[in-house]
Amino acid sequence: KAGVTQTPRYLIKTRGQQVTLSCSPISGHRSVSWYQQTPGQGLQFLFEYFSETQRNKGNFPGRFSGRQFSNSRSEMNVSTLELGDSALYLCASSPPQGPYNEQFFGPGTRLTVL
Amino acid sequence: GNSVTQMEGPVTLSEEAFLTINCTYTATGYPSLFWYVQYPGEGLQLLLKATKADDKGSNKGFEATYRKETTSFHLEKGSVQVSDSAVYFCALSVGGNKLVFGAGTILRVKS
Repeated sequence: KAGVTQTPRYLIKTRGQQVTLSCSPISGHRSVSWYQQTPGQGLQFLFEYFSETQRNKGNFPGRFSGRQFSNSRSEMNVSTLELGDSALYLCASSPPQGPYNEQFFGPGTRLTVL
Repeated sequence: GNSVTQMEGPVTLSEEAFLTINCTYTATGYPSLFWYVQYPGEGLQLLLKATKADDKGSNKGFEATYRKETTSFHLEKGSVQVSDSAVYFCALSVGGNKLVFGAGTILRVKS
C-alpha cells in the first residue's frame, strides 16, 4: 500500500505570494491533518479534514486555509506569504476506524519564503 | 490546555548504551500517548503508542509506559545503535486526530 504523498517536496516563494501544497492520503484513509514544523515553534497542528469538512483547527491566522476533495486528497493554501511561514509542512492521514488515532505522515513539503 | 514537555537534547550516546528520553504531559481529559521518530529528511514515523494507564508500548527494542500518577511516558531502549540516531517526539491526543507534540529530542549515537 502506498504511503502518504506530498507535492511538491520543495518550494521557494517570495513574500506576498501565495502557495498551494498537496497531500494524497493512504488509500482508504478519510482523515487528513496538516502540521507546520519550524525550529522555533516545533510541530504545530494546522487543521484536520474529514469527508471534505474541516473537523478541527489549530491557532493559525486566516491566511492558512485548506480543503479536501471527494477522493480524500487535500490541499492547503497560504496567502500573502511571510518570512515566518518558512517551514516543513507535514500531512498525515488516519484510517477510518483507527482506535488509537494513529496518524501516518508524509515526507513533507519544505517551503522557503524569501 | 494540553502540552508535552520533553528533555532537551541533543543526547549523545555510544553504541550499546542505555537510552532514556523523558516526557511528561499535561492534559484535559484522558489522552493517548505516542512516540514518533523523524530521520533526517523524512516525515514522522510512529514508534509506539499507549492508550490507557499502565499500558506499555513497545517496538524495535524501544519501550514506554503510560504513567498516569506521574503524567509521564518516558522512552527507553536497552542498547542503542548508530541507526537509532534521529529526532524523537513525544505526543498526545485527547480525542480526534489532533496531535500535540513536544519539542523533540535529538539523539546521536556514536560507533
